[in-house]
Amino acid sequence: GAVVSQHPSWVICKSGTSVKIECRSLDFQATTMFWYRQFPKQSLMLMATSNEGSKATYEQGVEKDKFLINHASLTLSTLTVTSAHPEDSSFYICSAGDRDSYGYTFGSGTRLTVV
Amino acid sequence: GDSVTQMEGPVTLSEEAFLTINCTYTATGYPSLFWYVQYPGEGLQLLLKATKADDKGSNKGFEATYRKETTSFHLEKGSVQVSDSAVYFCALSDRASGGYQKVTFGTGTKLQVIP
Repeated sequence: GAVVSQHPSWVICKSGTSVKIECRSLDFQATTMFWYRQFPKQSLMLMATSNEGSKATYEQGVEKDKFLINHASLTLSTLTVTSAHPEDSSFYICSAGDRDSYGYTFGSGTRLTVV
Repeated sequence: GDSVTQMEGPVTLSEEAFLTINCTYTATGYPSLFWYVQYPGEGLQLLLKATKADDKGSNKGFEATYRKETTSFHLEKGSVQVSDSAVYFCALSDRASGGYQKVTFGTGTKLQVIP
C-alpha cells in the first residue's frame, strides 16, 4: 500500500533556529500534500495544503512566513519552521495523496521541541 | 463548512467488552468517511473507510456503516483488546474548491482497554 515517510521523527532545537521536516511519498506520486499540527490531547489542525509546483495554501491564522512549505516534486514536500520559539513545540504530521484519493496516507509525525 | 463531531473520551473498557464510538458529520456534498487510529507517539493510520451511503467499512474487527439519513458513522467492535488502546479519529473528505479532497477531523476519542 501507499507509504509516506516523514523525517525526522523527533527534533530538539534552540530558540531562534530553523528546522526542516521532510515528507516523502515512497511508492506513489503525491499531487497534494497536507501539513497538520497536533497539540497535546487535541485533534489535528490543518496548517496548509500544497500542490506540486505551486504555492501552498495556508489556513487562516497560520503564518506563511514562519511555516515555509515547499512541494518541489511529486514525492517530496518540506515544512520549515523558521526562527522557532518554544510555542512552536508540537507534533507535526504530513499526509499525501493523489488527486483522486479518498483519504490520504499519513506520515508518522515529527515531535518538535524548541528549547 | 464541513464538520465532524465525535464523542468525548476517554473511554475505558475491560478487555472483551463491546465498543461504540459515536461520530456524526455535517457536509455540503457527498463526503467519504473514515476512521483513523493513532497509537501513542505515532502518526495516523487509516483504520477503515466508506465512500457512499450504506457502505460498511471494516478492518481488524472494527466496523462502521455510512448512514446518510442520520449523518453518522459510528465505530464498533464486538470484543476489544488491550492492544486497541489508542486515540480514534473520525474524519470526512470532501471535494474542496481547489479540486482536491480536503479532510476534516473530529477531536478524537481516547480508548483505554484494561485487562
